[in-house]
Amino acid sequence: SYELTQPPSVSVSPGQTASITCSGDKLGNKYVCWYKQNPGQSPVLVIYQDTKRPSGIPERFSGSKSGSTATLTISGTQAMDEADYYCQAWDSNTVFGGGTKLTVL
Amino acid sequence: EVQLVESGGGLMQPGGSLRLSCAASGLTVSINYMNWVRQAPGKGLEWVSVIDSGGTTYYADSVKGRFTVSRDNMLYLQMNGLRAEDTAVYYCARALDSDDAFDIWGQGTMVTVSS
Repeated sequence: SYELTQPPSVSVSPGQTASITCSGDKLGNKYVCWYKQNPGQSPVLVIYQDTKRPSGIPERFSGSKSGSTATLTISGTQAMDEADYYCQAWDSNTVFGGGTKLTVL
Repeated sequence: EVQLVESGGGLMQPGGSLRLSCAASGLTVSINYMNWVRQAPGKGLEWVSVIDSGGTTYYADSVKGRFTVSRDNMLYLQMNGLRAEDTAVYYCARALDSDDAFDIWGQGTMVTVSS
């Protein structure tokens, strides 16, 4: 079955840039999206179709993809960005990455 | 306001059955790709099932043959043969197309399977 691999955790200092990666076989041929999930809350879409940002998502969130790796970048990271982040793609069905806990310290 | 609200969760014994519901406001269930996604305690997201705009259904291997998704003006998930590993928060989520992102999520309903 298809798998997406994310680092379990990423740490960043306030105001710095955080990068969270998501890798998978032939990911370059698939759309990737990203979700942010605060503790006890539902996921929120922050990036879709690799690079697009939904209405209401701050501009500091951006997405990119190169080869088999997609990256969620948070520029000027704020304390409120501390959360779990999941990537998602489609193979025969929907697949989620294992999630990355972003710590802002 | 577009909103999804799940209900029907609870504590069930292994082997039992449960039906989850997802009420939609501000969107029409039948013209969207409606998904169920679950999250076990302390774990990541796991896609469970989808019913597409044509009514075709798809399932994760972990629930195939035990769970059934259906819809009328609401979305449902019939869960049979429940196992301890089905314990999770179950979310319904909307996608506009088969490979589109899930742009609207419900608040989730907790299902606990334990003897």
